[in-house]
Order: sequence, then C-alpha cells, then structure tokens
Amino acid sequence: SQTIHQWPATLVQPVGSPLSLECTVEGTSNPNLYWYRQAAGRGLQLLFYSVGIGQISSEVPQNLSASRPQDRQFILSSKKLLLSDSGFYLCAWRYYNEQFFGPGTRLTVL
Amino acid sequence: DQQVKQNSPSLSVQEGRISILNCDYTNSMFDYFLWYKKYPAEGPTFLISISSIKDKNEDGRFTVFLNKSAKHLSLHIVPSQPGDSAVYFCAAIEENRDDKIIFGKGTRLHILP
Repeated sequence: SQTIHQWPATLVQPVGSPLSLECTVEGTSNPNLYWYRQAAGRGLQLLFYSVGIGQISSEVPQNLSASRPQDRQFILSSKKLLLSDSGFYLCAWRYYNEQFFGPGTRLTVL
Repeated sequence: DQQVKQNSPSLSVQEGRISILNCDYTNSMFDYFLWYKKYPAEGPTFLISISSIKDKNEDGRFTVFLNKSAKHLSLHIVPSQPGDSAVYFCAAIEENRDDKIIFGKGTRLHILP
C-alpha cells in the first residue's frame, strides 16, 4: 500500500528564517506530487506540483520554492519566511483520478 | 479566477437530518469530480467521486449528484452524524490533463446534537 510522510508535524519559526519541509511517498513510483497550503478562509491553495524528478511547476508567485531531488521526495523551501507564510502545509500524490494527502505540517511564523 | 466554487463557507445541520453541500464550477472541460473531508490538523481524505457521464453516485450515507447543464454538483449526507462535522472540499479534474486537481475553498459542516 502507498504511504505519504511529512515532517515535521509542527514548526514555529521566526520571520526571516529559512524553511525546509520534506515529503516522501512509499509504495509507488513516479508519482505526481503536490504541495498545498491551507490558510484561514482560503481553502486548499495549490503551491507547486511535480510530474517527475527535477520538474517543478509553480502555481502561485511567492517566496517559497520546491524541489524534487528523488522520485519519491518533494521538498518545500524558503530562504526567508514571512508572517504570511503561516498555515497548514499539505503534501499530496496523485493516483489516476484520486489524490492522497499527507498528515500536514502546521507552520507558525512569528 | 475560481474554477470550483463553494459559496457556503459553513453549514449547520441537526443530527439525523440531511446535509447538502453545494459546489459550482465554470470549466466545461472538467470531467471528473471529487469530494474530500478534512478534520482539523489532518490531511483531507477522499470521500466520494463522480464521472461526468453519470448524474448520481451513492456510497452508503453519501450521495453525489451532478448537473452538467448547470455546472453544479452537490453532496448529500443522510442521516447526518456528529462525526460528519468537518470541512468538505469539492474538487474537479480536467479532461485529458494528468497534472492537477482543482479544489474549492471548502464548506465547514457543523452537526448539531
């Protein structure tokens, strides 16, 4: 069976600090991978998606970036966090017409 | 431009009654629709889906109805239970595209005792 991992589960960071959130998927190969952010009143906002190693599509211009160094690894990064980066970050992978989500990371920027 | 719209941010329903969550879309190329349920501090989980060639799909207490001419779908939960209190997201997939799923902003459902 397929499993998706995210870490850390929660994170509190000061403004201006860097960020690295990691997502890994088990039990599948060459998945489409996604990063979403859920912020208050804004639903699920698609940030990045990747259809393969090194292939990143950005949906929303911002100070975040994503990388896919390995087939089943997807990383969300920032060089300098803003207050507005606070939110619940979700990694997901796509299998045919369904999308499966990880447990999420709660990021609070102070 | 929002392609998938859930115009009700929240909904309160008495336990045992029917909950109806609505979703509208603008892209006529969408051919597959999904509903997800999300509890706080957890990832969304898949609930039920429907292909555009159907107008109804039922799974236990959950039924999704699709009206293609109106570009509208709805999720019916009957009878509503306390554990149904969550945020529900409507989502859509565009025909012949394998990259992304478009989500609505969600509707928070409160089941009242």
